[in-house]
Amino acid sequence: GQNIDQPTEMTATEGAIVQINCTYQTSGFNGLFWYQQHAGEAPTFLSYNVLDGLEEKGRFSSFLSRSKGYSYLLLKELQMKDSASYLCAVRDSNYQLIWGAGTKLIIKP
Amino acid sequence: GAGVSQSPSNKVTEKGKDVELRCDPISGHTALYWYRQSLGQGLEFLIYFQGNSAPDKSGLPSDRFSAERTGGSVSTLTIQRTQQEDSAVYLCASSLGTSGRFTQYFGPGTRLTVL
Repeated sequence: GQNIDQPTEMTATEGAIVQINCTYQTSGFNGLFWYQQHAGEAPTFLSYNVLDGLEEKGRFSSFLSRSKGYSYLLLKELQMKDSASYLCAVRDSNYQLIWGAGTKLIIKP
Repeated sequence: GAGVSQSPSNKVTEKGKDVELRCDPISGHTALYWYRQSLGQGLEFLIYFQGNSAPDKSGLPSDRFSAERTGGSVSTLTIQRTQQEDSAVYLCASSLGTSGRFTQYFGPGTRLTVL
């Protein structure tokens, strides 16, 4: 079967750095996405990785290792507004997105 | 339109009633997806439309669920004889395509409560 694993919840301090990990086992791989979802709102796109390595976009970076079936989302200079759930999703060989259950990130002052 | 829109935003219904949920995708987006999200859970794929191809219905949980997409644009998700376990947020997303960097853009969702 297909599986995406992420930690259920993480806590970090405002101004700090946090890394959210995602491991996946899917039938084929055609890219990995990270989405942010604030409570009661729809998910919004953060990043896309299809090749190994680090993609940086402002305070957010995403890393991919296809051989290890592993990705992480790195958030720097954390702000209170970063409190949200972060969803990892993998596009499989049928070009369907397989979604993880999400990691709830709690930011403390 | 500027984004994906869904209606109604909230729907409360009685067990056994039928409901229809509507999704207006971003203009020009050929792919349209329906998901379900229960409180604190991840996204559960329901159905996917791509252009004029037959929809991928592999995620529909039972034959009480059906969806159609008219004219390659607006989509309606219908749930017949609703059950309490159908209570969830139903999210619609659209994208320009299904490969490469084509990302899914989500609507605000319809919160369905079955009493």
